[in-house]
Amino acid sequence: GAVVSQHPSWVICKSGTSVKIECRSLDFQATTMFWYRQFPKQSLMLMATSNEGSKATYEQGVEKDKFLINHASLTLSTLTVTSAHPEDSSFYICSAEGGGRYGYTFGSGTRLTVV
Amino acid sequence: AQSVTQLDSQVPVFEEAPVELRCNYSSSVSVYLFWYVQYPNQGLQLLLKYLSGSTLVKGINGFEAEFNKSQTSFHLRKPSVHISDTAEYFCAVSGGQAGTALIFGKGTTLSVSS
Repeated sequence: GAVVSQHPSWVICKSGTSVKIECRSLDFQATTMFWYRQFPKQSLMLMATSNEGSKATYEQGVEKDKFLINHASLTLSTLTVTSAHPEDSSFYICSAEGGGRYGYTFGSGTRLTVV
Repeated sequence: AQSVTQLDSQVPVFEEAPVELRCNYSSSVSVYLFWYVQYPNQGLQLLLKYLSGSTLVKGINGFEAEFNKSQTSFHLRKPSVHISDTAEYFCAVSGGQAGTALIFGKGTTLSVSS
């Protein structure tokens, strides 16, 4: 079946540094990828939609300069959290559209802790 | 725009009992509906989805859901739960157009005890 690989699975960084999270579709081409953020015991909140070769579309309230999204190929999208602060600590999950009819395949998530 | 309401934030049940997790949706267009399960610190696993056709959808791990257009509901059911079913369950909706994201409900925590 369709597989989306997300790395790293967890990362701890110092406040003020940047962190890059990768999301790869392993066995299908994903023209569209989505990035979600999940706080403890809460639902997934859509952050942005990225289409291969074009700028990402950010949801209202999401800082595009803080959360940089690049979708340079049909199999790879990256989310960079720039100048991270403790309030950016969260669980980030990517999703790729494809791999089957109306399929949305999710990565395993990245636990970001900013200290 | 679509939205999803999961009516129960927590559902405690005993092992081997039946369970129903409720989900209502709102949409002005045709919808595609999904149920996902999430175990702690993991991504989401698809349980089942409704795109069209039969309103009773069977998924993995013995789960099923029924699409009810008149009541705008898509409740998830399992006739006999196991301890291993303890997890967070999310109902999600999509408008069906390519390139549109899934919109999730707030989730229901299913706790199965012996």
